[in-house]
Amino acid sequence: GAVVSQHPSRVICKSGTSVKIECRSLDFQATTMFWYRQFPKQSLMLMATSNEGSKATYEQGVEKDKFLINHASLTLSTLTVTSAHPEDSSFYICSASMRGWADTQYFGPGTRLTVL
Amino acid sequence: AQTVTQSQPEMSVQEAETVTLSCTYDTSESDYYLFWYKQPPSRQMILVIRQEAYKQQNATENRFSVNFQKAAKSFSLKISDSQLGDAAMYFCAYRTPNTGNQFYFGTGTSLTVIP
Repeated sequence: GAVVSQHPSRVICKSGTSVKIECRSLDFQATTMFWYRQFPKQSLMLMATSNEGSKATYEQGVEKDKFLINHASLTLSTLTVTSAHPEDSSFYICSASMRGWADTQYFGPGTRLTVL
Repeated sequence: AQTVTQSQPEMSVQEAETVTLSCTYDTSESDYYLFWYKQPPSRQMILVIRQEAYKQQNATENRFSVNFQKAAKSFSLKISDSQLGDAAMYFCAYRTPNTGNQFYFGTGTSLTVIP
């Protein structure tokens, strides 16, 4: 149980285009989803927290107009990188919690984004 | 501010031996959860073990156990009978209700298992 999927696993795009990454909780309802960015050999950096049906809360320094997050249902959240640039190339990971604050975060397998 | 510190960037252990990864955290909260996650080369984050701060008993999951010292704000992970598949990056994480469900992660410890 508690499986989280991400799609796509890898994406290559041209500079200036937009890319959408999907995060789904497959066997549970995720009241809260999180989006992280991870650089090579570094820890996870939280980008934003999203609750179903409400606007995402972005961490300081994360451009909300560039990284659009939508959490339209209890099983799906999307991250759209708009007007991508090479510096946006990274590994993006989502996670989901079932209920309340005490529950564990379950992580998706991540998406490798390469912007040419 | 909540911080999580992993002072060992790299560790190695002989197969079948025991290794302990250290983690300390800084908080003024009394109610919180602590976690150890494993990130193998596939980069999929996998929950290893979790500990509720209100519980005095150390959590155990098969070969994995923790030494939770609340007063010292220490949360170390012990891996017994190490296996080749244990080789991974290990992250310690902290969570409290006052931070909106946010996890605070340590910088990670890269564990190598020597055959």
